[in-house]
Amino acid sequence: NAGVMQNPRHLVRRRGQEARLRCSPMKGHSHVYWYRQLPEEGLKFMVYLQKENIIDESGMPKERFSAEFPKEGPSILRIQQVVRGDSAAYFCASSPGTGTYNEQFFGPGTRLTVL
Amino acid sequence: GQQVMQIPQYQHVQEGEDFTTYCNSSTTLSNIQWYKQRPGGHPVFLIQLVKSGEVKKQKRLTFQFGEAKKNSSLHITATQTTDVGTYFCAGPGSGAGSYQLTFGKGTKLSVIP
Repeated sequence: NAGVMQNPRHLVRRRGQEARLRCSPMKGHSHVYWYRQLPEEGLKFMVYLQKENIIDESGMPKERFSAEFPKEGPSILRIQQVVRGDSAAYFCASSPGTGTYNEQFFGPGTRLTVL
Repeated sequence: GQQVMQIPQYQHVQEGEDFTTYCNSSTTLSNIQWYKQRPGGHPVFLIQLVKSGEVKKQKRLTFQFGEAKKNSSLHITATQTTDVGTYFCAGPGSGAGSYQLTFGKGTKLSVIP
């Protein structure tokens, strides 16, 4: 039973380019969460999605960032016109449901470096 | 908004010594979760505590949830080099935001062999 998969594991972009991060949740999980982790920091919630729906994007910057979870295929976190401050590890997590008692399973993360 | 604080930020111990990290929330939590992240790795779920005053053990790890459900601790007895990593506590939001985990900044544990 494969866990949460993310790709790429490492991504290098120059300022102004676009970054696309992919996440495939665990089998049977329909809830996806994206978190960002800066060096020496905890994880910060960005967005919560279910299939074809953004449920909560309150943690995501209003500009340049977008997320989707299409009916078919992985969830995508897109960062347009990247800046150096976007350099971070981006983790995706999935759960089978919501509510307060559902453990979130994390993927290996995508380490984004903006030159 | 909800804040989750952890202390200490760093802890260096000699192998065999004990280690404790403390977690405090600005709001009452329905539950608290603990994760471990190895250097260069991703957070791995360790445990969830739900009941007031709950204590759970996993081998050398003891987790405690405070009576007021606003604080928690993780204690490791006789640390080993395999315990190296950053330990995070995380609490869910309330109401409609309950799926949203708020993480503490973590305690980074180094074990000197």
